[in-house]
Amino acid sequence: RKEVEQDPGPFNVPEGATVAFNCTYSNSASQSFFWYRQDCRKEPKLLMSVYSSGNEDGRFTAQLNRASQYISLLIRDSKLSDSATYLCVVGTGGFKTIFGAGTRLFVKA
Amino acid sequence: EAQVTQNPRYLITVTGKKLTVTCSQNMNHEYMSWYRQDPGLGLRQIYYSMNVEVTDKGDVPEGYKVSRKEKRNFPLILESPSPNQTSLYFCASSPQGQGNTEAFFGQGTRLTVV
Repeated sequence: RKEVEQDPGPFNVPEGATVAFNCTYSNSASQSFFWYRQDCRKEPKLLMSVYSSGNEDGRFTAQLNRASQYISLLIRDSKLSDSATYLCVVGTGGFKTIFGAGTRLFVKA
Repeated sequence: EAQVTQNPRYLITVTGKKLTVTCSQNMNHEYMSWYRQDPGLGLRQIYYSMNVEVTDKGDVPEGYKVSRKEKRNFPLILESPSPNQTSLYFCASSPQGQGNTEAFFGQGTRLTVV
């Protein structure tokens, strides 16, 4: 079993749709959680950190469920520019970081 | 401009010919690391460095070497490249260990070993 698992997709959604991604992790000692965005053939960039209380940044909402060991990302009112691969990242504290394989999103006009 | 710079961006080489991919950051970050990205596998950590002269193996270190003689530079060395090292490589830096803080990535190096 992979340490961090994501549905690879692709998710094909129309503009304006709401889409949600889930990510599960196996190490219960994990301490930090992030979502990164990666455009085709480009480097990953931090989208948002995920806090225990959940957090929101504009159209993006991230949630953490420690009991079930999953994190989620919700995108509301999808834009064409949201098309990308979304990487779930889990840190066990300090130097160990595990990246999920990513979920591909295509937003269509 | 704060950035992580990798060179070269693209490289095609032959099996067994030693190569070095350079990585430099101008943010005075202590922590740097190298990843490779392969389809369906995500980013896997090759090596990381906590500070000058301090390095350690990641999840897939076989066939790679690194050095950290200066804070800003963290080169990745392939002494004898093989076709299974064909991949997309990313260097990243962060002010602390990347398990805690945002990682800043270079633009990537697409390596093909024939």
